[in-house]
Amino acid sequence: SAVISQKPSRDICQRGTSLTIQCQVDSQVTMMFWYRQQPGQSLTLIATANQGSEATYESGFVIDKFPISRPNLTFSTLTVSNMSPEDSSIYLCSVGDRDTGELFFGEGSRLTVL
Amino acid sequence: LAKTTQPISMDSYEGQEVNITCSHNNIATNDYITWYQQFPSQGPRFIIQGYKTKVTNEVASLFIPADRKSSTLSLPRVSLSDTAVYYCLVPSWGNTGKLIFGQGTTLQVKP
Repeated sequence: SAVISQKPSRDICQRGTSLTIQCQVDSQVTMMFWYRQQPGQSLTLIATANQGSEATYESGFVIDKFPISRPNLTFSTLTVSNMSPEDSSIYLCSVGDRDTGELFFGEGSRLTVL
Repeated sequence: LAKTTQPISMDSYEGQEVNITCSHNNIATNDYITWYQQFPSQGPRFIIQGYKTKVTNEVASLFIPADRKSSTLSLPRVSLSDTAVYYCLVPSWGNTGKLIFGQGTTLQVKP
């Protein structure tokens, strides 16, 4: 299993600003993912955070808007840039265990953009 | 990645058995079937995973027919605390390991 800590747990931000969300895992993991969950909706995969290389983004998500860092096997950050009210969501970090097939999630970062 | 289809919502009463069926017609030979549970204001939590026939753990049972084109999550004697969204997924770990979530099934357990 993996324990994932996300910071901040919630924040209220002004339109046009940027916020960086941190994800810390208690063990080294190969696969790390960032998801977004808008109110009342399912989870949407934003990108795969690759250690030592650029993140792999899903359709509809771009690096300029959601820059991701993955400096080592236990840590990643997601930045939501130039925020608008449409970016109000819960952002979740997750890591995968290829041996068991499980995906572990953090508690999420609830972002409200005014 | 295999696409999954499941009911959007279900209602049940405390003490009843709940069965949620998911279809995954284009599941690949090496794919497993995985179910997650999400409570409000929490990240999803792994419940159970199976490849064929039946798998049971302390939380649920998973029934998978021989053709593996569908699966049924069975929750025995649900309580109010089982009210959550349940997601059926078919991860393709051989490729990228990423999971694509469908709509999920919102289960509402009533007293």
